Amino acid sequence: ETGVTQTPRHLVMGMTNKKSLKCEQHLGHNAMYWYKQSAKKPLELMFVYNFKEQTENNSVPSRFSPECPNSSHLFLHLHTLQPEDSALYLCASSAGTSGGGTDTQYFGPGTRLTVL
Amino acid sequence: GQNIDQPTEMTATEGAIVQINCTYQTSGFNGLFWYQQHAGEAPTFLSYNVLDGLEEKGRFSSFLSRSKGYSYLLLKELQMKDSASYLCAVRDSNYQLIWGAGTKLIIKP
Repeated sequence: ETGVTQTPRHLVMGMTNKKSLKCEQHLGHNAMYWYKQSAKKPLELMFVYNFKEQTENNSVPSRFSPECPNSSHLFLHLHTLQPEDSALYLCASSAGTSGGGTDTQYFGPGTRLTVL
Repeated sequence: GQNIDQPTEMTATEGAIVQINCTYQTSGFNGLFWYQQHAGEAPTFLSYNVLDGLEEKGRFSSFLSRSKGYSYLLLKELQMKDSASYLCAVRDSNYQLIWGAGTKLIIKP
């Protein structure tokens, strides 16, 4: 059973809507991640937060806006999305030891997003 | 560029053994991970290799050869519940995970 939860599990939105995805981890971790997973493609890292500070932004369009109010919560705010943004959005967390160790990432179940 | 290659799909028979290969070309190496992902569910951690050799964990084993840029995941005594996608990921010199596209494993009775 995962210690990372995501809501909603499914979301359908129009291109002019604004919505938010929520992620919460109960593992006491310090790093949180947003990934995009499209069919038959590798996971794409979108954003990374370490101790609430954003450390990675992999050229993600500004229509995706992350927010990390504390080490346990992560949001992804969505606005004016395109149909090609339809995908599974996964949240993950890890202990956040950048200097070594396993630092295994643990994933939430994802939000299946459909943009009409 | 950085690249992780693994077969798109494999089929095996219940009770048999299957080996899923992963080859990688990355800028640096700080460990290799295998995850299992059932359809519509979260990827779950299976194994981690950072040194050459075989790591055994129950029915699952993972092998690494850093000189060859190669790993495999070995699944023994296959069960129907092993039908899933298996994701290979390598941590590069920047400690970022580089992911393969996953191998969909189909188990037949």
